[in-house]
Amino acid sequence: GAVVSQHPSWVICKSGTSVKIECRSLDFQATTMFWYRQFPKQSLMLMATSNEGSKATYEQGVEKDKFLINHASLTLSTLTVTSAHPEDSSFYICSARDALLAGGYEQYFGPGTRLTVT
Amino acid sequence: GNSVTQMEGPVTLSEEAFLTINCTYTATGYPSLFWYVQYPGEGLQLLLKATKADDKGSNKGFEATYRKETTSFHLEKGSVQVSDSAVYFCALIRIKAAGNKLTFGGGTRVLVKP
Repeated sequence: GAVVSQHPSWVICKSGTSVKIECRSLDFQATTMFWYRQFPKQSLMLMATSNEGSKATYEQGVEKDKFLINHASLTLSTLTVTSAHPEDSSFYICSARDALLAGGYEQYFGPGTRLTVT
Repeated sequence: GNSVTQMEGPVTLSEEAFLTINCTYTATGYPSLFWYVQYPGEGLQLLLKATKADDKGSNKGFEATYRKETTSFHLEKGSVQVSDSAVYFCALIRIKAAGNKLTFGGGTRVLVKP
């Protein structure tokens, strides 16, 4: 149980285009989802937290107009990288939490999406 | 604020060797502590956790004990395998505080050679 999927697993796009990454909780309701960014050989950096049906809360330094997050349902959150540039190339990982599972605080991670902007 | 410090890698071992990865933390209150593992090209998997002082988390031969007196949560495995090659992240969360966000250490890359 508690499986989180991401799609696509990897994507290559041209500079200036937008890319959408989906994060789905497959067997539980994700009341909260988190989006992380990971640079090569580095730790995870939290980008934003989203609760279903409300606006995402972005971490300091993360451009909310560039990284659009939508958490429209209890099983789906999307991250859209708008007007992507090569410096946006990274590994993006989502996680999800169900308030009713395991005390409500444990996060379940997706497999990640590797974005390359050329 | 909360922080997690873990030993830098890479750690290179031979198969069947003993593995220790040190992790110390700074947090107010009583955090829950986690070890996550990331295999190449994949997301994070929860390896083990401990929610209160003196708890021992264990899984797949790995163990870690929540030591409040030393604010540590060192990961150990008595006999590693090549398949244990991965990046290991120590993390903490303070329940019902700061949005229940995970605070990660920098990660330790482990390479086990046959």
